Amino acid sequence: EPEVTQTPSHQVTQMGQEVILRCVPISNHLYFYWYRQILGQKVEFLVSFYNNEISEKSEIFDDQFSVERPDGSNFTLKIRSTKLEDSAMYFCASMLERRNTGELFFGEGSRLTVL
Amino acid sequence: TQLLEQSPQFLSIQEGENLTVYCNSSSVFSSLQWYRQEPGEGPVLLVTVVTGGEVKKLKRLTFQFGDARKDSSLHITAAQPGDTGLYLCAGGSSGGYQKVTFGIGTKLQVIP
Repeated sequence: EPEVTQTPSHQVTQMGQEVILRCVPISNHLYFYWYRQILGQKVEFLVSFYNNEISEKSEIFDDQFSVERPDGSNFTLKIRSTKLEDSAMYFCASMLERRNTGELFFGEGSRLTVL
Repeated sequence: TQLLEQSPQFLSIQEGENLTVYCNSSSVFSSLQWYRQEPGEGPVLLVTVVTGGEVKKLKRLTFQFGDARKDSSLHITAAQPGDTGLYLCAGGSSGGYQKVTFGIGTKLQVIP
């Protein structure tokens, strides 16, 4: 069964360092998303991406964040200068546009720990 | 911003009991999804409800979409320890699915 894959599964970084989280969405899906979940809190929307551009972003997704689909398969989230409060689980998700029912398929997540 | 409120936030029951959890909003959604999330993993889609008043069954789980498409419920019959997890409802933003918003979830524990 097709799945969304994310790497790394866990990354530990120092405050101020750049981090890139990678995702390979399901191959025929066209909408891509990043969410984050701080431990014990809700799943929060960060950004959605369609047709090689950002569709919508939340107030969390400030200038320190960027997304890219560099090669038609990978979908990356970059945090330029990490802060302690960026520590969270980051989930990538994809959706098949044709059905357009809001059904997201999530990866297993990348746990980011900022020290 | 369309908000989804879930209740209760925590529920601990004995194996074999029935339970219902709720997802409510003041906004109308074209569809709502229910997901289940286990610790350290991503949410997994359970079901989508689209039509007001719709009822969908998935084995012992029954999902209902409110007539006005502002709320939904999940009923579990004869809960099993394997049902333990975080149950999330989610819905798209008005006009599309550029932003899918999640409720905070109901954390269910089924005690053997």
